[in-house]
Amino acid sequence: EAEVAQSPRYKITEKSQAVAFWCDPISGHATLYWYRQILGQGPELLVQFQDESVVDDSQLPKDRFSAERLKGVDSTLKIQPAELGDSAMYLCASSGDFTGELFFGEGSRLTVL
Amino acid sequence: DQQVKQNSPSLSVQEGRISILNCDYTNSMFDYFLWYKKYPAEGPTFLISISSIKDKNEDGRFTVFLNKSAKHLSLHIVPSQPGDSAVYFCAASAGGTSYGKLTFGQGTILTVHP
Repeated sequence: EAEVAQSPRYKITEKSQAVAFWCDPISGHATLYWYRQILGQGPELLVQFQDESVVDDSQLPKDRFSAERLKGVDSTLKIQPAELGDSAMYLCASSGDFTGELFFGEGSRLTVL
Repeated sequence: DQQVKQNSPSLSVQEGRISILNCDYTNSMFDYFLWYKKYPAEGPTFLISISSIKDKNEDGRFTVFLNKSAKHLSLHIVPSQPGDSAVYFCAASAGGTSYGKLTFGQGTILTVHP
């Protein structure tokens, strides 16, 4: 069964360092999402792509976060500089239709020391 | 401002009995509701959904009920099985191009005892 691939699974970094997460959605899925899940809370949307275009990045802290999906396939989420409050699970999801039925990857757990 | 709330952090039930997970929302623009299940070290997986034009949707052992006037939905699992033990998230969207812009609740940890 097709899956959303994410890497790395775990990342430990010191504050003020740069980190990057990669996501490869299910083949053919035009819509890609990055969500952040803080421990004990539900996931929160950071950015939504339709093909290579950003549809919604209203919740993305743009002073330190950036996201791109240059060829409309895989995507990278970057944080620079990382802060202690960025410790969370970063989830990538994709969708092949206009429903809320998203397919999530296993996530990238970030710990900022 | 928590627009989707799951007020029970955890629920424990016996195998074979019914599990009922509850969810409340405040945003009247939400018109599509979903439940996701999450096992440890995995991403959430879609379970079942319901459109605001319906008040019930059933899929095997899982049934979701929507009460629009009360802005409340619930997930019923009958009969519950130990493999159902997971975190359950309620989510809502406002439709249109926002279908994938899900607002999640905090989650409810379901434990089903053999």
